[in-house]
Amino acid sequence: KNQVEQSPQSLIILEGKNCTLQCNYTVSPFSNLRWYKQDTGRGPVSLTIMTFSENTKSNGRYTATLDADTKQSSLHITASQLSDSASYICVVSDRGSTLGRLYFGRGTQLTVWP
Amino acid sequence: EADIYQTPRYLVIGTGKKITLECSQTMGHDKMYWYQQDPGMELHLIHYSYGVNSTEKGDLSSESTVSRIRTEHFPLTLESARPSHTSQYLCASSEPQGAGNSPLHFGNGTRLTVT
Repeated sequence: KNQVEQSPQSLIILEGKNCTLQCNYTVSPFSNLRWYKQDTGRGPVSLTIMTFSENTKSNGRYTATLDADTKQSSLHITASQLSDSASYICVVSDRGSTLGRLYFGRGTQLTVWP
Repeated sequence: EADIYQTPRYLVIGTGKKITLECSQTMGHDKMYWYQQDPGMELHLIHYSYGVNSTEKGDLSSESTVSRIRTEHFPLTLESARPSHTSQYLCASSEPQGAGNSPLHFGNGTRLTVT
């Protein structure tokens, strides 16, 4: 069964600290993995996409990694800011159809305290 | 700035009422989607469309219906709302690239409460 599991479910950190969010998946055949940020009361916004051949990709203070062999991805946030408080959702796409089915994780709820 | 708009943002209605959730996008995207999101749970696809006059049911069984008469408009209708329909409904669109290669652009959602 294709699944996406995220950990931790929730996380509280102090402003300025770093953190790492995890995503494990069993989706096959794998096409790509995307991280979304969802602010409270808003829709998710794409942060970065990882394809099979990519190991690391950065977007400002966000760095995503992908290990296609172990089917794991991580999202590292450096020097956290209050505005980083949000839910971070891992979404994996398969190559089983022309449309590409999406599998969503339940998200990690990050809270950054001053 | 969001180029996909959902109205209303919040809706509280009584059981048995008919409602329509509006979704419009200005990006010219052919693909549009409706997702249902409950707290702490993953998004579930309930409807999608490849383009005008195309509508398909998603993974999650839903009593709602959709229509796609214009590219930019993808409304969702519930003929008779029930408390079990209480949820957040997210509309999204994407460019016509296959296999999830293009990101989903989400609206800010409609929070529906059925009493």
